Amino acid sequence: AQSVSQHNHHVILSEAASLELGCNYSYGGTVNLFWYVQYPGQHLQLLLKYFSGDPLVKGIKGFEAEFIKSKFSFNLRKPSVQWSDTAEYFCAVNAQNTNAGKSTFGDGTTLTVKP
Amino acid sequence: SQTIHQWPATLVQPVGSPLSLECTVEGTSNPNLYWYRQAAGRGLQLLFYSVGIGQISSEVPQNLSASRPQDRQFILSSKKLLLSDSGFYLCAWSLQAGYGYTFGSGTRLTVV
Repeated sequence: AQSVSQHNHHVILSEAASLELGCNYSYGGTVNLFWYVQYPGQHLQLLLKYFSGDPLVKGIKGFEAEFIKSKFSFNLRKPSVQWSDTAEYFCAVNAQNTNAGKSTFGDGTTLTVKP
Repeated sequence: SQTIHQWPATLVQPVGSPLSLECTVEGTSNPNLYWYRQAAGRGLQLLFYSVGIGQISSEVPQNLSASRPQDRQFILSSKKLLLSDSGFYLCAWSLQAGYGYTFGSGTRLTVV
């Protein structure tokens, strides 16, 4: 079975600070990895994904994530956060080589950016 | 473009009453469909998924059931609600494992 661990439950940053949210997964096979974001009052949306190729993937709004296979990690980064990045962020994983595509989610990290 | 509709947005139901939450997808064919429950401060728990009409897989034994009567329709049901069924229910669709999900706006269910 898959599991996902997000290390920080709540992160508070000032605008222009750099962001890194940790995500580690547990699964013995080949995986697809995702970060989702939920802005206040909005529904969950896909931020970025990795399924093959370059382990450094770029998403919307300047976010990027790096897949480090040896560490089973997929950390989310942004060099300079904005107040509008305040949201809840979820890391998720699913197994490749399956048509079900069912994903396992972490518990989420709430990011608060202070203006 | 593809869209997903989920309703109702909020629902207050008495214990022991039935439940029916509906989710429909537009603009795609043969999607994988999912029902998740999100608890406050916790991640999303997969309840059911479906890879085709009439094909339902349950992830967690519970008081709920799901059905997929049409290709782009996914229904979450209960015959008798329990207090513990309260929560935020999300429907999602995906074409393949590597594509990621598109989520509906969710239903906040309160069982009283």
